[in-house]
Amino acid sequence: EAQVTQNPRYLITVTGKKLTVTCSQNMNHEYMSWYRQDPGLGLRQIYYSMNVEVTDKGDVPEGYKVSRKEKRNFPLILESPSPNQTSLYFCASRSQGLGYEQYFGPGTRLTVT
Amino acid sequence: AQSVTQLGSHVSVSEGALVLLRCNYSSSVPPYLFWYVQYPNQGLQLLLKYTSAATLVKGINGFEAEFKKSETSFHLTKPSAHMSDAAEYFCAVTEGDSWGKLQFGAGTQVVVTP
Repeated sequence: EAQVTQNPRYLITVTGKKLTVTCSQNMNHEYMSWYRQDPGLGLRQIYYSMNVEVTDKGDVPEGYKVSRKEKRNFPLILESPSPNQTSLYFCASRSQGLGYEQYFGPGTRLTVT
Repeated sequence: AQSVTQLGSHVSVSEGALVLLRCNYSSSVPPYLFWYVQYPNQGLQLLLKYTSAATLVKGINGFEAEFKKSETSFHLTKPSAHMSDAAEYFCAVTEGDSWGKLQFGAGTQVVVTP
């Protein structure tokens, strides 16, 4: 089954404790992206990647890191989480080209206390 | 630069009534437009998309949307609401290049009442 998977689905952590949210897709998509969803703001892009070893900042990259060492994986790293990073996070992927839709993972709900 | 405005953060409709969700966009080039639905505790699922073919686009679950260039709109409709349509709906726009960034609206929460 074609899908984007994320782990963990739920995470409660404390300020400053490094964490990684994994994302994997099995559709051989070139493009992958991370979003955060906050009430009243819709989804905002954090980082995206156009292919292996090619990443770039989205609209809200501060406090986040990413890497793309393999085509299928695109982990999101919070090196020193803060309470304002409490949010719902989505990973997405799509093929390169005009008009292709993005496929979304199930989401990771992160709470930073 | 592209942007999306969804009118109404919450919409309440009666079961069997028309669902109308409004989306207006701005884009400096011909856009690609999408509607996504998010059911509780789930990720986003594509409802339909406009990619410069027919201006009236039919999607899943009986939804459709019409692209109106003169009004820069892409409103989503369904003739008869069902209880299972209760969800949050997002309009999104991307501009016409291979790596087009997807810009989302703030979302509209739909409540369906019996």
